[in-house]
Amino acid sequence: DAKTTQPPSMDCAEGRAANLPCNHSTISGNEYVYWYRQIHSQGPQYIIHGLKNNETNEMASLIITEDRKSSTLILPHATLRDTAVYYCIVRAGPGSQGNLIFGKGTKLSVKP
Amino acid sequence: DTEVTQTPKHLVMGMTNKKSLKCEQHMGHRAMYWYKQKAKKPPELMFVYSYEKLSINESVPSRFSPECPNSSLLNLHLHALQPEDSALYLCASSPARPGHEKLFFGSGTQLSVL
Repeated sequence: DAKTTQPPSMDCAEGRAANLPCNHSTISGNEYVYWYRQIHSQGPQYIIHGLKNNETNEMASLIITEDRKSSTLILPHATLRDTAVYYCIVRAGPGSQGNLIFGKGTKLSVKP
Repeated sequence: DTEVTQTPKHLVMGMTNKKSLKCEQHMGHRAMYWYKQKAKKPPELMFVYSYEKLSINESVPSRFSPECPNSSLLNLHLHALQPEDSALYLCASSPARPGHEKLFFGSGTQLSVL
């Protein structure tokens, strides 16, 4: 079973920040938080991942709470092309393979 | 080249047919994956190959037979499928090095079993 809980859907106005929450209260010390998204009719796309520190890349920022039981993915200026299903995934870190288990995800709709 | 290429994009087959799905990557990745995705559901892991050896089989029925002939290619052989096997089949690859677990996915093969 997936180890994360996400709201099933969210709306965001174009140009505003989209903040997508994820609960992972049973996360272990060696498990990372990964975010992927899937635009309709495409394969999932990696966005970002982190262990305990906040992370930022060209696509998004990842904020992980100090107790690591929840996190938030931030898309700073959402565009219509960011409309997708966003998956928060917890998995073991370096050296692990294959156990990328997808939960139900959040369907983000960016509206003009 | 940062792409994972899957062929065909669409496939319709009968329950008695034998067909194969193909996946190719030229990023030097040594881990390759098959996922199955039903409509409006998240992807489900089927198989993982690491250095051309099958390392994970998520209790997939034997009518699905994976093959990794070399480090760039991954096949999924299909035989005697059922209508409930209709789904999007996704291939992915990753570098298989510690700290590099980012998966690259193809666009998938949409399979319909009649």
